[in-house]
Amino acid sequence: DAGVIQSPRHEVTEMGQEVTLRCKPISGHDYLFWYRQTMMRGLELLIYFNNNVPIDDSGMPEDRFSAKMPNASFSTLKIQPSEPRDSAVYFCASSFTEGAREKLFFGSGTQLSVL
Amino acid sequence: AQSVTQLGSHVSVSEGALVLLRCNYSSSVPPYLFWYVQYPNQGLQLLLKYTTGATLVKGINGFEAEFKKSETSFHLTKPSAHMSDAAEYFCAVSDRVTGGGNKLTFGTGTQLKVEL
Repeated sequence: DAGVIQSPRHEVTEMGQEVTLRCKPISGHDYLFWYRQTMMRGLELLIYFNNNVPIDDSGMPEDRFSAKMPNASFSTLKIQPSEPRDSAVYFCASSFTEGAREKLFFGSGTQLSVL
Repeated sequence: AQSVTQLGSHVSVSEGALVLLRCNYSSSVPPYLFWYVQYPNQGLQLLLKYTTGATLVKGINGFEAEFKKSETSFHLTKPSAHMSDAAEYFCAVSDRVTGGGNKLTFGTGTQLKVEL
């Protein structure tokens, strides 16, 4: 398996623009998580899905952030409009219930820079 | 709510020396505890975890951690550091919600540097 795949690896955009981050979880995994990593706040859970359904979005910072999972193999995290303080590394991770569901498999992240 | 505190954002050791990375947790219920490692430009990887049973947990790459309830600690150790151990290490705690996803709360990380 190729692991969790995120795209793009790097994104540079201007303030006010819409940003869409993409994630393909590992096939067969039924949980998907979006994390944000910054120097100041470390790793923060933004939202997670189980069987494509959002379970907890309490970590989503503002209404400018939204996430979808239209099917088991794809998820997006959208920021509209983007702001410089959104600059961070965004990680997607997946896991599966029947195995060790605490074992998260992380993607390589998307480095977002908002100018 | 659970939380973890990692003491020391940067730790430097000599190759061959003992590695000790500290983690203390706060939880109102018996926790699940984890250590993850992050190499440069990569996502996190699970090193080891404690759920129930034996309090001394062995993980990959020669690392181990001991769950000490009386000290609310879960420190990570390795007897002899290797250059390849240089990375950022994250302690994490789970809320163990039955039927829910595994919602991990991570510490702020400890950057390990290994010197010749």
